[in-house]
Amino acid sequence: LAKITQPISMDSYEGQEVNITCSHNNIATNDYITWYQQFPSQGPRFIIQGYKTKVTNEVASLFIPADRKSSTLSLPRVSLSDTAVYYCLVGPYSGAGSYQLTFGKGTKLSVIP
Amino acid sequence: NAGVTQTPKFRVLKTGQSMTLLCAQDMNHEYMYWYRQDPGMGLRLIHYSVGEGTTAKGEVPDGYNVSRLKKQNFLLGLESAAPSQTSVYFCASSYSPGQGLTTSYEQYFGPGTRLTVT
Repeated sequence: LAKITQPISMDSYEGQEVNITCSHNNIATNDYITWYQQFPSQGPRFIIQGYKTKVTNEVASLFIPADRKSSTLSLPRVSLSDTAVYYCLVGPYSGAGSYQLTFGKGTKLSVIP
Repeated sequence: NAGVTQTPKFRVLKTGQSMTLLCAQDMNHEYMYWYRQDPGMGLRLIHYSVGEGTTAKGEVPDGYNVSRLKKQNFLLGLESAAPSQTSVYFCASSYSPGQGLTTSYEQYFGPGTRLTVT
């Protein structure tokens, strides 16, 4: 299984850009990197997914360097409603021939007014 | 369009009791998953299914069984509950690569079931 490391927590003021980095040193060739957001008492919600270079959608950007051993989720101009836990997911092919999905332990982002 | 639903939302079991968690999706997804979420541990994959009638083990399958008799339903069973199975259980579903309009592995999660085993 891919070993994933991400910061336990981060604080940011409203209106700032937030960057959360995920380390996945043993990512497999066929693995994608996906980020999810989770609010208390809810299931995770998809934010963005990428394989390499940069991906941008209406809510976030995802930067993946050429070696793919890390990735950075960028949230522009955060608001109080962005306070949540953010999970990095690597998969699905993290094992030899198997379909495995490995989540990081999550980064709790607190946005301060 | 309800998305992914889970039944029940809460349950308390005594050690040794059995129960089944039901997950249903109405998005015609091929893939379905069961995860458990424990404090400080993130989400861990228990079992998954890549189609009706097929299931496979994930990272933490011991003590659980699953069945996918219908495409829209994925059942998680605990035959003899243990306190270590106290957790929040999430079901998710997704398209298979090529099934949808993209190669995205985006998963749609249910609201979760909070299980306590005493």
